[in-house]
Amino acid sequence: AQSVAQPEDQVNVAEGNPLTVKCTYSVSGNPYLFWYVQYPNRGLQFLLKYITGDNLVKGSYGFEAEFNKSQTSFHLKKPSALVSDSALYFCAVRDGAGGGADGLTFGKGTHLIIQP
Amino acid sequence: SAVISQKPSRDICQRGTSLTIQCQVDSQVTMMFWYRQQPGQSLTLIATANQGSEATYESGFVIDKFPISRPNLTFSTLTVSNMSPEDSSIYLCSGLGFANEKLFFGSGTQLSVL
Repeated sequence: AQSVAQPEDQVNVAEGNPLTVKCTYSVSGNPYLFWYVQYPNRGLQFLLKYITGDNLVKGSYGFEAEFNKSQTSFHLKKPSALVSDSALYFCAVRDGAGGGADGLTFGKGTHLIIQP
Repeated sequence: SAVISQKPSRDICQRGTSLTIQCQVDSQVTMMFWYRQQPGQSLTLIATANQGSEATYESGFVIDKFPISRPNLTFSTLTVSNMSPEDSSIYLCSGLGFANEKLFFGSGTQLSVL
C-alpha cells in the first residue's frame, strides 16, 4: 500500500521569503511523486513531478521539489514567495511498479498562506 | 496536456435522489479516475473507470452507490445514487496521459445534499 504524509496543516510565510511545504511518502516500489495546487473553487493544477533522473525537479510558477530517497521525502520549495501562491497544496504518490493502473494517493493537503 | 471538462460544476439535490456527473476529455487518455474530496479533506479515489467494462472500485465504494460508465476513451460518467447529506462533497474526474505519468483533473462538481 502507498501513503503520503503532509505533516503541516498550514504554513505561513512572509512575501519574498523562501517557502517549504513538507511531504513524505511510502511505496513498495519506485515512487512517482507529484505536487498539485488547488485554488478556491477550482480543480487541481499540476505543479511538478518526479519520475526518475535529477533529484531536484523544477515546475510551474517557480516551484521546485527535491526528491530524497533516504528520507523518503519530496518537499516543495520556492525561493521567494508571492501572495498569489496562497492556496492548498497536495503531495501525491503512485507506485511506479503499478504500470499506470493505479490512481494517485494524495496527502491531506497543506494550506499555504503568504502574508504581504 | 489534456483538458477535462466536467459538468455540472455544482448542484443542490434532495435526499434520496440521484445525480449523474459527466466528464469529457479533449484527447485520449489511458486511464480515467473518479475522486471525492469531502469538506476540508484530501482526495480519495472512488474508482478507476474502465473503457467498455465495469469500473474497479476502491475499498469502501460500491457499484450500486456509485455506478460508473466509460463508453469510450474520452468520456465517463459517475452517478451518485440515493443521495444522503453524507454524500455532500466535491467529485473530481481525472485522466492519465499516455506517458502514464501525469494526472489531469477536471474542475470538479460541488454537490450539496439537503
